[in-house]
Amino acid sequence: GENVEQHPSTLSVQEGDSAVIKCTYSDSASNYFPWYKQELGKRPQLIIDIRSNVGEKKDQRIAVTLNKTAKHFSLHITETQPEDSAVYFCAAAYNFNKFYFGSGTKLNVKP
Amino acid sequence: NAGVTQTPKFQVLKTGQSMTLQCAQDMNHEYMSWYRQDPGMGLRLIHYSVGAGITDQGEVPNGYNVSRSTTEDFPLRLLSAAPSQTSVYFCASTGGKTEAFFGQGTRLTVV
Repeated sequence: GENVEQHPSTLSVQEGDSAVIKCTYSDSASNYFPWYKQELGKRPQLIIDIRSNVGEKKDQRIAVTLNKTAKHFSLHITETQPEDSAVYFCAAAYNFNKFYFGSGTKLNVKP
Repeated sequence: NAGVTQTPKFQVLKTGQSMTLQCAQDMNHEYMSWYRQDPGMGLRLIHYSVGAGITDQGEVPNGYNVSRSTTEDFPLRLLSAAPSQTSVYFCASTGGKTEAFFGQGTRLTVV
C-alpha cells in the first residue's frame, strides 16, 4: 500500500516568516494530494489540494507544489500569522479514495 | 446540511466491553472510511467502504468490524475493547471527486 512520510514533525517560526512542510509518497498511482489543518480538539479540514496533472497551486498565502518524478509534495505558507498555529497533515490518494496520511507537523507561529 | 456526524463525542469503556461508534453522512457520498488518530502517528485507516454492501480493511483493521447497509451510515464496532484501542476516531466521506470530509471525532478511552 501507499506510504506517506512527512517532515518536520514540529516547526516553529516567527510571525511573518514562511513555513514549509514536505511529504513524500511511495505509490506512483496516487493522483490526489490534499493538505489538512487540524486545530486542537477539532476535526481535520482541507486547506488546499493538488491533482497529479498540476505542478503547483496557490490560494492566497498558501501554496502546494508537486514533483511526480521524485514523488514529493510540499506546503508553503507565507506571511505566517498566529492563527496558522495548528497541526498540518498531508495525504495521498488514488482517485479520491483510500487516503493515506502523513504523521503530521505541529506548526507554532510565535507573535 | 449536517455533513458527517459522529456519535458519541466521548466514551469510556472497560477492557472487554463492546460498543459501536456511529457515523452518518447526508451528502450522498459513496466512499466512507474510519481512521484512528494517535499522537505522532497521524491518521491511520481502519476500514473503508466504496458503497453500500462493500467494505474492506485498511492499515489497522484488527479488533474492529464494520458494515455498510445504507449509503448514509457506516458504523464501527469494537468487539472486545482493549487499552491499545484508546484513541480519537474519525469517520470521513468523499463523493468520488472531492476531498475527504471528516466528522467531529470520538475520543475513546479504554481502562
